[in-house]
Amino acid sequence: DTAVSQTPKYLVTQMGNDKSIKCEQNLGHDTMYWYKQDSKKFLKIMFSYNNKELIINETVPNRFSPKSPDKAHLNLHINSLELGDSAVYFCASSRAAGVLSNEKLFFGSGTQLSVL
Amino acid sequence: AQSVAQPEDQVNVAEGNPLTVKCTYSVSGNPYLFWYVQYPNRGLQFLLKYITGDNLVKGSYGFEAEFNKSQTSFHLKKPSALVSDSALYFCAVERWSDYKLSFGAGTTVTVRA
Repeated sequence: DTAVSQTPKYLVTQMGNDKSIKCEQNLGHDTMYWYKQDSKKFLKIMFSYNNKELIINETVPNRFSPKSPDKAHLNLHINSLELGDSAVYFCASSRAAGVLSNEKLFFGSGTQLSVL
Repeated sequence: AQSVAQPEDQVNVAEGNPLTVKCTYSVSGNPYLFWYVQYPNRGLQFLLKYITGDNLVKGSYGFEAEFNKSQTSFHLKKPSALVSDSALYFCAVERWSDYKLSFGAGTTVTVRA
């Protein structure tokens, strides 16, 4: 069983389109995250949700909108895709926000988004 | 502002030799430090963390890291590297005040047979 699963694994689309990436975790964790990894492998947090509530919202264009229908799911919707959005997007989860219980992040295997 | 620096983009070692991946940090307050590893086309995997206590932390796959407060460093080490250790390694620091995790730029480790 995959602990953190995200779909699709690959996403190729045209500029201006709207797309979604889905993430689900079966670990019973309270907190979920979206990270973006650029072509130079630099990893940056985008959003974090704790029990369906937004707790971290980094400086991200408002074309990116996360949605958490329940604490096991955190989806990422992107409007009006741009060339610069091309990257690998990673979903992650942890038992609690931060390290209150010495928690670590569990990552999905990534979604490679290519905007043409 | 919190940050981590990984001064080496690449580290190359021969199998069986010691492996060190360097990390320095800059953070206000108590640092919570982590190492993660990323294999090709995979998500990051947790290796080890320092929260408090013993400065030498042992983690997965025979890795360990030493927290050095005076040098603000948290170098990752393995006494005898394996070819299978070839991967991208990330150091990260979490600020206890708002739980944000900042990653370093990553160090690519290549272990040659």
